[in-house]
Amino acid sequence: KQEVTQIPAALSVPEGENLVLNCSFTDSAIYNLQWFRQDPGKGLTSLLLIQSSQREQTSGRLNASLDKSSGRSTLYIAASQPGDSATYLCAVNNQGGSEKLVFGKGMKLTVNP
Amino acid sequence: NAGVTQTPKFQVLKTGQSMTLQCAQDMNHNSMYWYRQDPGMGLRLIYYSASEGTTDKGEVPNGYNVSRLNKREFSLRLESAAPSQTSVYFCAIKRANRGNYNSPLHFGNGTRLTVT
Repeated sequence: KQEVTQIPAALSVPEGENLVLNCSFTDSAIYNLQWFRQDPGKGLTSLLLIQSSQREQTSGRLNASLDKSSGRSTLYIAASQPGDSATYLCAVNNQGGSEKLVFGKGMKLTVNP
Repeated sequence: NAGVTQTPKFQVLKTGQSMTLQCAQDMNHNSMYWYRQDPGMGLRLIYYSASEGTTDKGEVPNGYNVSRLNKREFSLRLESAAPSQTSVYFCAIKRANRGNYNSPLHFGNGTRLTVT
């Protein structure tokens, strides 16, 4: 059974730091991996999707990498800002024609001004 | 979140009452999903619909029923609410065709349900 882990559960940093958020998964037979952001009281917003054949995806100050063989993905946030404060979740889509995503429990990020 | 509308935003029920959570999309996507989010448990899939007229069970379907009324709407029904169903419920959509899962999920803003 696929399990997705995000450690640590929370992180507090001063503004301006470059950040690395971690996501690990137990079964490397994935179709893709997605990173989401969730603001308090809101739904999830898709940030980046990496297909299994890709190594990384970039959007603005965000860069996500995927190492399928080791079961790891990282989300890199450059020059963090207070507006980046949110909970970040990763989710994997298993191979085998599954419609179902398996989510990590998320990491709550606080960027202090 | 643009594209996915959930109603109501908040609801309080008594044990045994029934209700239907509504989800409507304006993005013409094929796949629709219902998740629940609980502290310490993360997001768990309740039911999903890969296309109009089809529905399938997810990880935690017990106590729920769904209807894919048309391509736009996917409703979740609690026939006899229990305190264990206190949660935040999210509807999500994906522009997916059979065999192609490389599309991001788009979420609604959720329904916060309390069962007393």
